[in-house]
Amino acid sequence: AQSVTQLGSHVSVSEGALVLLRCNYSSSVPPYLFWYVQYPNQGLQLLLKYTTGATLVKGINGFEAEFKKSETSFHLTKPSAHMSDAAEYFCAVSNNNNDMRFGAGTRLTVKP
Amino acid sequence: GAGVSQTPSNKVTEKGKYVELRCDPISGHTALYWYRQSLGQGPEFLIYFQGTGAADDSGLPNDRFFAVRPEGSVSTLKIQRTERGDSAVYLCASSLSSHNEQFFGPGTRLTVL
Repeated sequence: AQSVTQLGSHVSVSEGALVLLRCNYSSSVPPYLFWYVQYPNQGLQLLLKYTTGATLVKGINGFEAEFKKSETSFHLTKPSAHMSDAAEYFCAVSNNNNDMRFGAGTRLTVKP
Repeated sequence: GAGVSQTPSNKVTEKGKYVELRCDPISGHTALYWYRQSLGQGPEFLIYFQGTGAADDSGLPNDRFFAVRPEGSVSTLKIQRTERGDSAVYLCASSLSSHNEQFFGPGTRLTVL
């Protein structure tokens, strides 16, 4: 069985500061890993995903994540936060891209 | 309208009633997924269709929940004898085929009074 733990239900950063959202996963097989963003009253949008190959994955809006097998982590980062990054972020794991298990989410607040 | 659409956007019902939630996937997408998102939680997998058949329904919480996709396009999630605990946002997603990116709809917010 797979599962995801997102450390920190709320993260607050200043505009221009580094964004770091933590995700640890559990999977009995090599995982597929995803980060989704959910803006208020909108559907989930894929930021980036890791399936195989390069462990540093670049996504949309300047976000990236690194798959670290030894740490079972897939933390999401962005060098410089923008006000428009304020949203809910979800990490998800799948063993085949059909059955995704989501974390509880992290709400990112960006202060001016 | 190229995205996944869901209707209604909001549904309020009374305990014990029957409800149907509809999902229109992106045209040409063969895979369709239903998730449930409770307040303060991430989406929880319910069921996955490949074409007309339910390839994995292991996430349906009990036999009050049922979903169909008779023509391999539109899907309906059906909930019988609704309970207050069923209150949540029900999300639908579709993908070109299995193992491709899932595109999510805006969800249906179900409130059971």
